[in-house]
Amino acid sequence: QKEVEQDPGPLSVPEGAIVSLNCTYSNSAFQYFMWYRQYSRKGPELLMYTYSSGNKEDGRFTAQVDKSSKYISLFIRDSQPSDSATYLCAMSVTPAAGNKLTFGGGTRVLVKP
Amino acid sequence: GAVVSQHPSRVICKSGTSVKIECRSLDFQATTMFWYRQFPKQSLMLMATSNEGSKATYEQGVEKDKFLINHASLTLSTLTVTSAHPEDSSFYICSATGRDTQYFGPGTRLTVL
Repeated sequence: QKEVEQDPGPLSVPEGAIVSLNCTYSNSAFQYFMWYRQYSRKGPELLMYTYSSGNKEDGRFTAQVDKSSKYISLFIRDSQPSDSATYLCAMSVTPAAGNKLTFGGGTRVLVKP
Repeated sequence: GAVVSQHPSRVICKSGTSVKIECRSLDFQATTMFWYRQFPKQSLMLMATSNEGSKATYEQGVEKDKFLINHASLTLSTLTVTSAHPEDSSFYICSATGRDTQYFGPGTRLTVL
């Protein structure tokens, strides 16, 4: 069993819909959680970084962490075709700066105009 | 924001040659940088952790004599693929530790003929 599980998709939604992504993990020691967006043939771009249970909002993005269930989510409101990309969750035991990240496999998202 | 660059973005080389990839943090100092490898439609696989002024720490299964890492300054780390073979063809991505988390470079696509 992988430490971090993420549905590979593809997840196809119409423009304007809410995109819902999630990851589950097995290591209860993970305390820091990140979501990255990766376009084809590009490096991952940090979207959200959280370290406490609950919600964190930034523009159209909302990250949710439920440590008791070992479950994290990312919601994208008012999705745009430019949101079509692969979304990777990542997590670490100690603060992510300078420490090893464990990634999910990534979910490919397609937002259709 | 935190910007990380990589050079070259793409390289094609003959089997048996060595290739050097540079990773630079442009607007911050990074005591720790990471090197990842990514195969098509797969997630990132951590190869090694690079700390400024000290030897790199390699993940299990990664040949340190084949993938030479040097972190000579707080803004530059290099990965040299020695005696490259076709199976080394991949997308190589570095990340650098910023103020709170890791920021990724745009990646280098290596093709070994």
